[in-house]
Amino acid sequence: SQELEQSPQSLIVQEGKNLTINCTSSKTLYGLYWYKQKYGEGLIFLMMLQKGGEEKSHEKITAKLDEKKQQSSLHITASQPSHAGIYLCGADSGGATNKLIFGTGTLLAVQP
Amino acid sequence: KAGVTQTPRYLIKTRGQQVTLSCSPISGHRSVSWYQQTPGQGLQFLFEYFSETQRNKGNFPGRFSGRQFSNSRSEMNVSTLELGDSALYLCASSSFVGQGETQYFGPGTRLLVL
Repeated sequence: SQELEQSPQSLIVQEGKNLTINCTSSKTLYGLYWYKQKYGEGLIFLMMLQKGGEEKSHEKITAKLDEKKQQSSLHITASQPSHAGIYLCGADSGGATNKLIFGTGTLLAVQP
Repeated sequence: KAGVTQTPRYLIKTRGQQVTLSCSPISGHRSVSWYQQTPGQGLQFLFEYFSETQRNKGNFPGRFSGRQFSNSRSEMNVSTLELGDSALYLCASSSFVGQGETQYFGPGTRLLVL
């Protein structure tokens, strides 16, 4: 079965610093989703990547899917306290289903 | 459009009781999926419904069940509650079923079993 590993597990950065979160899959990714979660709340959709080499940006967040479609990265530029939360990557499990396989998450704290 | 809504937001139950959680998808969305989130296991898929039919089921005991109504609203039921059922239950909706279909999540229902 497919597994997603995220690194680092947690991250503390000073406001204004850049950071990168990685998501590595044990199998080829056919759809990779990035979500953000505030503790104890629902998941907020950030971006979805499907094609090898694809890159998407929204405000100060950029997500990339490598050419081999087994690794994705999420990069935040000039971090702000509002970026704090848990970042989760999720992968399409394949077939005619919406089931997502999720990584273990990365906890991000941004110090003012 | 209004987002995915879940009720209730918080629940406290005792072992052996049963519970029903409700999810209203985004207007026009016909697919609803349920996930359980715990600190130890992370996010795990429970089941998925489309047009009132269960399309997929995760590896959970039969105590966990669900259904979807003709208006796409969905409910999940947990019978004979155990302490380990304490979790955040999240539902997600999407327009259709298949790869590349973005799922939008609700705020979750926090269940505490005492």
